[in-house]
Amino acid sequence: AQSVTQLDSQVPVFEEAPVELRCNYSSSVSVYLFWYVQYPNQGLQLLLKYLSGSTLVESINGFEAEFNKSQTSFHLRKPSVHISDTAEYFCAVSERNQGGKLIFGQGTELSVKP
Amino acid sequence: NAGVTQTPKFQVLKTGQSMTLQCAQDMNHNSMYWYRQDPGMGLRLIYYSASEGTTDKGEVPNGYNVSRLNKREFSLRLESAAPSQTSVYFCASSEQGHNSPLHFGNGTRLTVT
Repeated sequence: AQSVTQLDSQVPVFEEAPVELRCNYSSSVSVYLFWYVQYPNQGLQLLLKYLSGSTLVESINGFEAEFNKSQTSFHLRKPSVHISDTAEYFCAVSERNQGGKLIFGQGTELSVKP
Repeated sequence: NAGVTQTPKFQVLKTGQSMTLQCAQDMNHNSMYWYRQDPGMGLRLIYYSASEGTTDKGEVPNGYNVSRLNKREFSLRLESAAPSQTSVYFCASSEQGHNSPLHFGNGTRLTVT
């Protein structure tokens, strides 16, 4: 069965600094990979996804993630964060062609300080 | 366009009481899901419905039942609430299965005393 590990529960960072939120997964089959973001008192929203093709995927607000099959990772990066990026970020994986369920990591709380 | 609507937003139950969490989506999505969110554990899938008329267990189905009433509505029932079911519950929907984006409601915060 697939599983997802987010290696950092909290990441504090100063505004305009770069950030990387780490995600590793395990699965015996090919997977789809996702990052979701949750702002306070809201549900989750899709940030970006990898289904196939280019291993580097981008969101509209400057985040990017790279699928690394050999390291089974899908780390999320942003070169310069804003206060408004403060939120909780969840990595998720589903197995291809399995009618797969979406399994979430434990979440990483990104706190951007001025 | 409301998206995914969950009711109620907050609920307090005593141990042993029952209740139903309601969820409705207006995006004509085929698939619907119930998750619970607990600190440090991310979201865990309770039940899902890949299409109208079908339901399947997720990771943590014990103590819950679901009904896919029609294409729009997917309810979650707690027959006999326990303190371990204190959590935030999220309903979500997607066009078709887990490779299409999930759209989440704003959650129901449930406390069982």
